[in-house]
Amino acid sequence: QSALTQPASVSGSPGQSITISCTGTSSDVGSYNFVSWYQQHPGKAPRLMIYEGSKRPSGVSNRFSGSKSGNTASLTISGLQAEDEADYYCCSFAGSSTYYVFGTGTKVTVL
Amino acid sequence: EVQLVQSGAEVKKPGESLKISCQVSGYRFTSYWIGWVRQMPGKGLEWMGIIYPGDSDTRYSPSFQGQVTISADKSISTAYLQWSSLKASDTAMYYCARLKVGDDSGWFDPWGQGTLVTVSS
Repeated sequence: QSALTQPASVSGSPGQSITISCTGTSSDVGSYNFVSWYQQHPGKAPRLMIYEGSKRPSGVSNRFSGSKSGNTASLTISGLQAEDEADYYCCSFAGSSTYYVFGTGTKVTVL
Repeated sequence: EVQLVQSGAEVKKPGESLKISCQVSGYRFTSYWIGWVRQMPGKGLEWMGIIYPGDSDTRYSPSFQGQVTISADKSISTAYLQWSSLKASDTAMYYCARLKVGDDSGWFDPWGQGTLVTVSS
């Protein structure tokens, strides 16, 4: 099972919106409705940002939103802030033999 | 408050065995899957496997099947990840996380602080 494909890096200026894509296959993202997204600052543990495709856990800013179309899921960060600079990973269920697969990760830089 | 607290950093030699732990609090340990995730230096997250402490049902990523063993002790609300013979390529940060499962979905929340394993001769 290969990792889901994410762009290596995405950047934007403060206040702008950026979108991170997460491309899988019909065996993972395309077959199961819900992708989760994680934020990881350097030297820290990952933090859940989006679950079940578009739901935000308590405490996560509404500037973060998720969506999916076909085999590709997306995370959008609106009103980009300096604190959003981090690595972001998607994760999808991939069936009862592989179970879960993470994306390759995207480094978000705030210019 | 739900918390997952992992054991401390380890430095081992190739061929040695190791068992690291993840102690949970703040929820019923036997009611949720616990997962383990590897992050090699400067690399991304890799899902290793999950265990359901209620009945010790365990599932492994094909990439890690036979390479590690995941277990749990209900009496002390602790999950484990162990190696029988470490290799230099096992050097990584290892995270545990609670897995919440929905219809056709699952998400990891919260995460432990991570255990750094260094394997070097």
